[in-house]
Amino acid sequence: GQNIDQPTEMTATEGAIVQINCTYQTSGFNGLFWYQQHAGEAPTFLSYNVLDGLEEKGRFSSFLSRSKGYSYLLLKELQMKDSASYLCAAMDSNYQLIWGAGTKLIIKP
Amino acid sequence: IAGITQAPTSQILAAGRRMTLRCTQDMRHNAMYWYRQDLGLGLRLIHYSNTAGTTGKGEVPDGYSVSRANTDDFPLTLASAVPSQTSVYFCASSQGSGANVLTFGAGSRLTVL
Repeated sequence: GQNIDQPTEMTATEGAIVQINCTYQTSGFNGLFWYQQHAGEAPTFLSYNVLDGLEEKGRFSSFLSRSKGYSYLLLKELQMKDSASYLCAAMDSNYQLIWGAGTKLIIKP
Repeated sequence: IAGITQAPTSQILAAGRRMTLRCTQDMRHNAMYWYRQDLGLGLRLIHYSNTAGTTGKGEVPDGYSVSRANTDDFPLTLASAVPSQTSVYFCASSQGSGANVLTFGAGSRLTVL
């Protein structure tokens, strides 16, 4: 079956770095998305990876290893506003998104 | 401001009642989607539409119906609501139906008693 695994919750300190991991199993693969969702709000797009490697976008970076079925989202210089849930989603061969349950990131001062 | 508008924001509904959640986008996106989000679970696709005039079933379509009469509107109807349909419903759209970024509406919180 198709499956996405990511940690349920993580805690980090303001100003620090945190890495949120995601492993996936899909029938075929057409890319890996990361979305950010603040409590009570809609998900918003962060990144898309389809080739192996690291994509950097400001304080946020996303990494993909297709051979390992693995991705991570790296957040640097954490700010209180980064407190949110981070959703990992893999796209299968039919271009259907398989979503993880999300990782709730708690930032402490 | 371009985006997706959902209505209502929140609704409490008696079991057995019919309910339509409205979704309108002004980005001229071809594809639209309805998801439900429940605690501890990933977003689950209910129905989708790749273009006006066509619809398809997602992962959890039972008890729901959709229509896509034009590009902008994609209403979701619960014919006879049941408590298990208590959830937060998100409408989303994308330029195409391939590996495209989704834009989400603000969500509709539905409680079925």
